[in-house]
Amino acid sequence: KAGVTQTPRYLIKTRGQQVTLSCSPISGHRSVSWYQQTPGQGLQFLFEYFSETQRNKGNFPGRFSGRQFSNSRSEMNVSTLELGDSALYLCASSLATTGSDDTQYFGPGTRLTVL
Amino acid sequence: AQSVTQPDIHITVSEGASLELRCNYSYGATPYLFWYVQSPGQGLQLLLKYFSGDTLVQGIKGFEAEFKRSQSSFNLRKPSVHWSDAAEYFCAARSYSGNTPLVFGKGTRLSVIA
Repeated sequence: KAGVTQTPRYLIKTRGQQVTLSCSPISGHRSVSWYQQTPGQGLQFLFEYFSETQRNKGNFPGRFSGRQFSNSRSEMNVSTLELGDSALYLCASSLATTGSDDTQYFGPGTRLTVL
Repeated sequence: AQSVTQPDIHITVSEGASLELRCNYSYGATPYLFWYVQSPGQGLQLLLKYFSGDTLVQGIKGFEAEFKRSQSSFNLRKPSVHWSDAAEYFCAARSYSGNTPLVFGKGTRLSVIA
């Protein structure tokens, strides 16, 4: 079974631009979560989508948004980019079963550099 | 607030030596617990997880972890480290109750010397 895929792998943008990142979950997984990873803050939760609905949201400004499509693929968008948005953005998918085994599996990430 | 603490930022071990990476959690009730590994520029790979039952959990690549409720700990161990184990290791937790996100520790960077 193919793993979580993220595109693009690398992006360079300038301040003020916007960017869209894409994530395709493992086949059959219904939940997609997004994380931002920086050297200073570590891994921080952005949001989670399940059945096209945002189920959880982290403490990030409204410039960060996302959506999920009917095939469970997800996109996240960052508008009005700031230098501090430079980070590795990780996507994770899970079966989203209630109860025990809801393990998250991660993609390789998208490295965003804002100049 | 729910939190995960990895006290060691960086650990250096010799190849062939044993390894223990520490992880403590602060949750109202025992959470689900995970260890992930990340190689430079890569995503996170799941090493092992604890949901319930046997407190000694076996994972991939020869890793194991022991859950100790009394110490709120979930330490990762490996009897003999290989140079390829050099990477960053993250402990994570998720609450049993409801659909809540993973909370990660800050990570421990492992260096392996000959």
